[in-house]
Amino acid sequence: AQSVTQLDSQVPVFEEAPVELRCNYSSSVSVYLFWYVQYPNQGLQLLLKYLSGSTLVKGINGFEAEFNKSQTSFHLRKPSVHISDTAEYFCAVSAGGTSYGKLTFGQGTILTVHP
Amino acid sequence: ETGVTQTPRHLVMGMTNKKSLKCEQHLGHNAMYWYKQSAKKPLELMFVYNFKEQTENNSVPSRFSPECPNSSHLFLHLHTLQPEDSALYLCASSQQKLQLGYYGYTFGSGTRLTVV
Repeated sequence: AQSVTQLDSQVPVFEEAPVELRCNYSSSVSVYLFWYVQYPNQGLQLLLKYLSGSTLVKGINGFEAEFNKSQTSFHLRKPSVHISDTAEYFCAVSAGGTSYGKLTFGQGTILTVHP
Repeated sequence: ETGVTQTPRHLVMGMTNKKSLKCEQHLGHNAMYWYKQSAKKPLELMFVYNFKEQTENNSVPSRFSPECPNSSHLFLHLHTLQPEDSALYLCASSQQKLQLGYYGYTFGSGTRLTVV
């Protein structure tokens, strides 16, 4: 079985400051990892994904994440946030090697960027 | 436009009503999903359809009835719902490749359901 824990339910930050949203996962097999963003009254939009290869993954809107297998983490970072980054962010995991994919989501982290 | 379209965007229904949610994708994906998103709860996977066959039902009450007539369309039929069923219902699709994993989901914008 796989699970995802997002360590912070809310992260307030000032505009132009750096931010890190933390995600830890557990799985008995190799994994695929994802970060999604949800703006108010909208569906989830894929920010970035790790499937294999380089452990540093770059996504849209200046976000990046680093896969750390030894620490079973996939933290999301942005060096300088904007007001428009205010949203809820979801980390998700899927075990590899299955005949179809099933995403397990974390509880979400609400990022609030203050002016 | 995300490539996955859900209608209606908002729905208010009484507990004795019957309604349906619709999801449509033209991305060529072969798997579709229904998720429930309630306030202060993680996303809950409800149903999975893979190549039009239901492959997962996560102990969802029978008052929710999914239908997948083809790989582009997914419905969620609702009847005799309860107030606690009020939530955002999200549809997603993905392209499954056997033994190669997959590449993430594309989500619709959701249907905000209120049961009164």
